[in-house]
Amino acid sequence: EAQVTQNPRYLITVTGKKLTVTCSQNMNHEYMSWYRQDPGLGLRQIYYSMNVEVTDKGDVPEGYKVSRKEKRNFPLILESPSPNQTSLYFCASSLSGTSILEQYFGPGTRLTVT
Amino acid sequence: GNSVTQMEGPVTLSEEAFLTINCTYTATGYPSLFWYVQYPGEGLQLLLKATKADDKGSNKGFEATYRKETTSFHLEKGSVQVSDSAVYFCALSPFGGQNFVFGPGTRLSVLP
Repeated sequence: EAQVTQNPRYLITVTGKKLTVTCSQNMNHEYMSWYRQDPGLGLRQIYYSMNVEVTDKGDVPEGYKVSRKEKRNFPLILESPSPNQTSLYFCASSLSGTSILEQYFGPGTRLTVT
Repeated sequence: GNSVTQMEGPVTLSEEAFLTINCTYTATGYPSLFWYVQYPGEGLQLLLKATKADDKGSNKGFEATYRKETTSFHLEKGSVQVSDSAVYFCALSPFGGQNFVFGPGTRLSVLP
């Protein structure tokens, strides 16, 4: 089954404790992206990747890191989480980054930072 | 910069009522336009899309027409069902660009 998977689905952590949210897709998509969803703000793009070893900042990259060492995986890293990073996070992928006609979304990761 | 504006929600309708959710955008050139739907507890799913002016996207009874002259992409459905209750997001992808811009979302509740 074609899908985007994220782990964990729920995470409660404390300020400053490094964490990684994994994202994997099995559709051989070139383009992958991370978003955060906050009430009243919709989805805001954190980082995106056009292909392996190619990443770029979205609209809200501060406090986040990403890497794309393999085509299928695109982990999101929070080196020192803070309470303002409490949010619902979505990973998404698309066949091609040069013409993004449809994105496939993962189920989401709800992160709480206390 | 690129941006998407949607009507404020929540929108509450009775079953079989007509639905319109307004969406306007700001972008240079000719972006592609999308409507995504998010059911409770799930990720976003593509509902419909249009890639050039005057294109009409349609799916599951929903329609939206790409109007370049008014920079709009309003979502419509003639007769909503309880199962349409969800959050609807308008979005754009700039021509030749690599990022997506989403609107804030509009929550729709359909009552039996």
